[in-house]
Amino acid sequence: EAQVTQNPRYLITVTGKKLTVTCSQNMNHEYMSWYRQDPGLGLRQIYYSMNVEVTDKGDVPEGYKVSRKEKRNFPLILESPSPNQTSLYFCASSLMGREPGELFFGEGSRLTVL
Amino acid sequence: GEDVEQSLFLSVREGDSSVINCTYTDSSSTYLYWYKQEPGAGLQLLTYIFSNMDMKQDQRLTVLLNKKDKHLSLRIADTQTGDSAIYFCAESGGSQGNLIFGKGTKLSVKP
Repeated sequence: EAQVTQNPRYLITVTGKKLTVTCSQNMNHEYMSWYRQDPGLGLRQIYYSMNVEVTDKGDVPEGYKVSRKEKRNFPLILESPSPNQTSLYFCASSLMGREPGELFFGEGSRLTVL
Repeated sequence: GEDVEQSLFLSVREGDSSVINCTYTDSSSTYLYWYKQEPGAGLQLLTYIFSNMDMKQDQRLTVLLNKKDKHLSLRIADTQTGDSAIYFCAESGGSQGNLIFGKGTKLSVKP
């Protein structure tokens, strides 16, 4: 089954404790992206990647890191989480060079930073 | 910069039509999209329209595009309780695959 898988789905952590949210897709998509969703603010893009070893900042990259060592994986790293990073995070992927493009989303990871 | 605006809430009665509106700024967008987010889930593509079209109909869904006014709407006929969700309007951003999303319209359907 074609899917984008995120882990963990739920996480409560404390300020400053490094964490990684993993994202994996099985559709051989070149493009992958991370978003955060907050009430009243909609979806905001954190980082995206157009292929292996190619990553770019989105609208709200501060406090986050990403890597794209393999095509299928795009982990989101919070080196020193803070309470303002409490949010619902979504990973998404799509094929490049095809229009209309369809973004496939994971089910989300709800992160709480105390 | 590019921006997509939509109202945050819409409440309708079951069986009525719902109309969700969206305005966008990037006139070079080739496609415009509607995504649906059901409670506790990620977004899923609902429908899209090519920018040189005025209308697209797909079963209960009708998408209208006014390119001059940069206005997009999604009409859901005979709205059901299962249509309760958040609906996001999106336009193609500058880079391939980058979509610019609106804040989402939460549709509540009352029985």
